[in-house]
Amino acid sequence: NAGVTQTPKFRILKIGQSMTLQCTQDMNHNYMYWYRQDPGMGLKLIYYSVGAGITDKGEVPNGYNVSRSTTEDFPLRLELAAPSQTSVYFCASSSRGTPYEQYFGPGTRLTVT
Amino acid sequence: AQSVAQPEDQVNVAEGNPLTVKCTYSVSGNPYLFWYVQYPNRGLQFLLKYITGDNLVKGSYGFEAEFNKSQTSFHLKKPSALVSDSALYFCAVRDEGGGADGLTFGKGTHLIIQP
Repeated sequence: NAGVTQTPKFRILKIGQSMTLQCTQDMNHNYMYWYRQDPGMGLKLIYYSVGAGITDKGEVPNGYNVSRSTTEDFPLRLELAAPSQTSVYFCASSSRGTPYEQYFGPGTRLTVT
Repeated sequence: AQSVAQPEDQVNVAEGNPLTVKCTYSVSGNPYLFWYVQYPNRGLQFLLKYITGDNLVKGSYGFEAEFNKSQTSFHLKKPSALVSDSALYFCAVRDEGGGADGLTFGKGTHLIIQP
């Protein structure tokens, strides 16, 4: 049981490039989330999903897109990367019965230069 | 709107001493409260939660937290600190009537346990 896995672990992007951060969970959780963590700022919610085919914006969605074609996968797409998107990105999941007890992946450290 | 405040960026405690990491919150309804821990280069791990019931909640690794409604606080405590408790601790809140859109996290408190 791997839990929540994220790839890649690290990535350096040039301004204007695009990339997809992958997230997969094997716990059959309905809810999935993407957060970004900036130093001294806690975690901010980017997007979330309550099930396959359903996504919604969080607190800081600008510059990102998501899709949820399966229960297991919840990729995060960055289009036209900007230095302000330099951050650590965490994917999380939770079950419908305990939606606030979230399980986090190990994170992706992204630098945009 | 809901919010969480962790007033201390860093807490230093000697090993074996009791520790407290402070958290205060603001929600419009009844709160659901959580503590998460983050070790270096790792994702957050769930420690404990308060939903309803006893004000003193026990969690993983010997941690506990006390819900105080009048002071809108949810401080994390441990009777005897271990060096391995050194990590970044996040308090989080959700309004009881809220939807599935995640938790509101505090900025985090670095806990440093000195041998």
